[in-house]
Amino acid sequence: GAGVSQTPSNKVTEKGKYVELRCDPISGHTALYWYRQSLGQGPEFLIYFQGTGAADDSGLPNDRFFAVRPEGSVSTLKIQRTERGDSAVYLCASSPTGPQDGYTFGSGTRLTVV
Amino acid sequence: GNSVTQMEGPVTLSEEAFLTINCTYTATGYPSLFWYVQYPGEGLQLLLKATKADDKGSNKGFEATYRKETTSFHLEKGSVQVSDSAVYFCALSDPMNRDDKIIFGKGTRLHILP
Repeated sequence: GAGVSQTPSNKVTEKGKYVELRCDPISGHTALYWYRQSLGQGPEFLIYFQGTGAADDSGLPNDRFFAVRPEGSVSTLKIQRTERGDSAVYLCASSPTGPQDGYTFGSGTRLTVV
Repeated sequence: GNSVTQMEGPVTLSEEAFLTINCTYTATGYPSLFWYVQYPGEGLQLLLKATKADDKGSNKGFEATYRKETTSFHLEKGSVQVSDSAVYFCALSDPMNRDDKIIFGKGTRLHILP
């Protein structure tokens, strides 16, 4: 596609529920990144895929967070047993090869846990 | 570990004023440096980048020079416009040290008054 697409744009869920956030990167971009941005803060790294594999998942805060990219294109970030502290904007970005080229970001999914 | 520190905002200037937003970094290797911008209601966009010492990145009248001796990458613009009002993020990546992600500063909010 022309840009990085993230769905849904907004998600409100109850504490304890499971959510999935989807990212559709730019066609042909092999590198895909997930970040989380809280109000007034910079994006915080979560996980990075190169192709289908997670090359670096050191930013995932705990085992309630998991992400997949089974065919090397679309990625899904999955959050189990959501907590109010998970409320943030979740950003996805893609790049042709890696960070040195800079990223193209999606518009994000605003997750609110009530 | 690698990190980025940028001046806290908000920064408020009048139109046509000179802008500097300070950014310093800590890195173990030879990072690539970036400035990203987030306009109101929009996603993060790459503004400019520099990949080695003494490189100058430039775009839309903004400039930043990679200063290895002072570990800095300050953002400057000679004459700001109301349309420059946004949040600016300094960032780095360090792929030569196998750090395949971009690390962001906390952001500096810029308000330009007409």
